Amino acid sequence: AQKVTQAQTEISVVEKEDVTLDCVYETRDTTYYLFWYKQPPSGELVFLIRRNSFDEQNEISGRYSWNFQKSTSSFNFTITASQVVDSAVYFCALSDLTGFQKLVFGTGTRLLVSP
Amino acid sequence: GAVVSQHPSWVICKSGTSVKIECRSLDFQATTMFWYRQFPKQSLMLMATSNEGSKATYEQGVEKDKFLINHASLTLSTLTVTSAHPEDSSFYICSAPSVARPSYEQYFGPGTRLTVT
Repeated sequence: AQKVTQAQTEISVVEKEDVTLDCVYETRDTTYYLFWYKQPPSGELVFLIRRNSFDEQNEISGRYSWNFQKSTSSFNFTITASQVVDSAVYFCALSDLTGFQKLVFGTGTRLLVSP
Repeated sequence: GAVVSQHPSWVICKSGTSVKIECRSLDFQATTMFWYRQFPKQSLMLMATSNEGSKATYEQGVEKDKFLINHASLTLSTLTVTSAHPEDSSFYICSAPSVARPSYEQYFGPGTRLTVT
């Protein structure tokens, strides 16, 4: 069975601090996809990144970066120079590649960025 | 980009009544849609997979007779919460993969907040 663990329930930082959100996953599949979503107070999920299991290259997109390590089954997300607008709940998710992909979500990490 | 809409965005109903939530793919066809439920401050849990033209597949523990899913067309899936009770109050989110895109492209609706009084 697939499982995603986000051990950090809530993180509070001050603006401009860097913050890393942890994600550890479990799957028996050799091919799978990992995702990060942002959920602001409005509730609508905002897609941040998708990474397939064959690509372990780290990725950077502006202030966001992701570290995928298959050896430790982790897919961590770092926000550099955090801003108040980054305050949201962040979900890590996992899907397989069989049929149409339903997602298994982690429990989410609530990030509070104070000015 | 692809858009998935949901209607209504929020609804309040009395206990014992039924409420229907629509999920539409606006610019692509979706033979499959997913329905998730999110309780306050909790994660999203998959309820069921909606398949166009056939019966939905429900996750373990989800009552089929209570959460009726109909996927009558390639752009519309509906979730009907029958005989709603306060414990059904939740945030319901649908998603749809686009058949025209690689299978890992999935689009989420904005969600429907249901409050049962």
